Amino acid sequence: GDSVTQMEGPVTLSEEAFLTINCTYTATGYPSLFWYVQYPGEGLQLLLKATKADDKGSNKGFEATYRKETTSFHLEKGSVQVSDSAVYFCALSDSGNTPLVFGKGTRLSVIA
Amino acid sequence: DSGVTQTPKHLITATGQRVTLRCSPRSGDLSVYWYQQSLDQGLQFLIQYYNGEERAKGNILERFSAQQFPDLHSELNLSSLELGDSALYFCASSSGVRNTEAFFGQGTRLTVV
Repeated sequence: GDSVTQMEGPVTLSEEAFLTINCTYTATGYPSLFWYVQYPGEGLQLLLKATKADDKGSNKGFEATYRKETTSFHLEKGSVQVSDSAVYFCALSDSGNTPLVFGKGTRLSVIA
Repeated sequence: DSGVTQTPKHLITATGQRVTLRCSPRSGDLSVYWYQQSLDQGLQFLIQYYNGEERAKGNILERFSAQQFPDLHSELNLSSLELGDSALYFCASSSGVRNTEAFFGQGTRLTVV
C-alpha cells in the first residue's frame, strides 16, 4: 500500500539556520504530495502541496519539490524562526482520490 | 481558524464506555474525514464520508462507527472503550470527493481511564 517515510525527530536548530526535513514515499499511482504543520495544541494546517512531478510547492518561506525519480518531497527553509517550532507531516493522496496517508511527523524546535 | 469545528475538545471516560465525537465541516465542504493520532501509530485514517455516504474506510475498528447527517455534520461513535483508544481524534473536511486539500479541526483528546 501507499506509505510515507520522513526523518525521525526531534530536530533542534538555532534561529536563522537552514532546515531540511526528508520525506520519501511509495505509491501505486501518481500521488499528490503535501506538507502539513501542527502547532502546539492545534490541528494540522496545510503548509504546501504539489500535484505533479517537478512542481515546487512554497509557502511562508518553506519549499518542497516533487521529485518523481527519487520519490521524494523534502521540506526546506532557508532561515528558520522560533515561530516555526511545530510538528511537520509529509502526506500523500494517490491521484488525489484517496484519503491522505501521513508520515509519522517530525518535531522541529527552533531556539533563539 | 480552519472553519472545521470539533466538540468536545477533551473527553475523559472509563473503559467499557461509549462516546460520541462531533464534527462540523467547513461551510460548503461535502467530504468529512476522521483520523486518529496516537504517539505510537502516528496519524491513522479511519473513515471518509462524502455527502452522507461512506466513501472510504481505513483502519477503523469494529467498535467504532461514524455517520454524516443531511446537514453534513459528522459523528464518530466509539464503544466498548479500551485504554489503547486514548488518542487525539481529528476531523478534516474538503470540498469534493478528491482530496486536493483537507482542512483539519483542532481535535478531540480522548482519555480512557
